[in-house]
Amino acid sequence: GAVVSQHPSWVICKSGTSVKIECRSLDFQATTMFWYRQFPKQSLMLMATSNEGSKATYEQGVEKDKFLINHASLTLSTLTVTSAHPEDSSFYICSASDPAGGSNEQFFGPGTRLTVL
Amino acid sequence: GQNIDQPTEMTATEGAIVQINCTYQTSGFNGLFWYQQHAGEAPTFLSYNVLDGLEEKGRFSSFLSRSKGYSYLLLKELQMKDSASYLCAVKDSNYQLIWGAGTKLIIKP
Repeated sequence: GAVVSQHPSWVICKSGTSVKIECRSLDFQATTMFWYRQFPKQSLMLMATSNEGSKATYEQGVEKDKFLINHASLTLSTLTVTSAHPEDSSFYICSASDPAGGSNEQFFGPGTRLTVL
Repeated sequence: GQNIDQPTEMTATEGAIVQINCTYQTSGFNGLFWYQQHAGEAPTFLSYNVLDGLEEKGRFSSFLSRSKGYSYLLLKELQMKDSASYLCAVKDSNYQLIWGAGTKLIIKP
C-alpha cells in the first residue's frame, strides 16, 4: 500500500514554456502533499506544502507565481512550472502523507526529471 | 537555525557493517526518519524513531538519543545494492521535515 505516482517521469521543454507535473496517491487519501526539488548531488529542498482544498504554503525563496500548486482532491496535486528557464532544470519529487490515518511517514513519488533547453 | 549534520561520504566493504551518524539541532522534535535514495530515484523509507533506543528491521537498525540530538543508522551484512545516499530527516515542532544533505555510501567488493 501507500503508493504515490508522478507523471511525467521526465520532460524536456523549451525555455519560456510551462510544464505541469502530476502527483497522485493511488491507494490512500493524502491530506497533505509536499513538493521537493533536488539538484544533482544535493539534498532535497522543500518547495511547498499543500493541504487539500487550501492554498499551498511556500518555502522562503520559492516564487509562488512561478511554481503553481493545486491540491484539488485528496488524491491529486499538481505543480506547474510557468515560463520555465534552464535554471529550473531539476529533479522534482512529490510526497504525500495522511496524518489523519495515524502515519507519520511521507510516501514519495518516483520523481520527475525536468530539462529546460 | 535548524541543522542536520551527517557525513558527506563513507566507504565500506561488502559483507561488513557500517554506521552512519546524524546529529540535529531543531526547534522541537517529533520524530527522526532515515531514507535511502539511489542515484536518480526518489527516496524510500527505511526507519522512524520517536523514542530513545534502537529499532531493528532486518539488516538495518536505527538508534535515537533525544537528549544528545543524535541518531545512527546501522547497516549489517552489506551488499553492493546498499550503495546509495542515506538521508536523515527530523520532524520539527511544526511537523515539518528538516532534511540532512545525505551520506553517500560506497560499497566495495
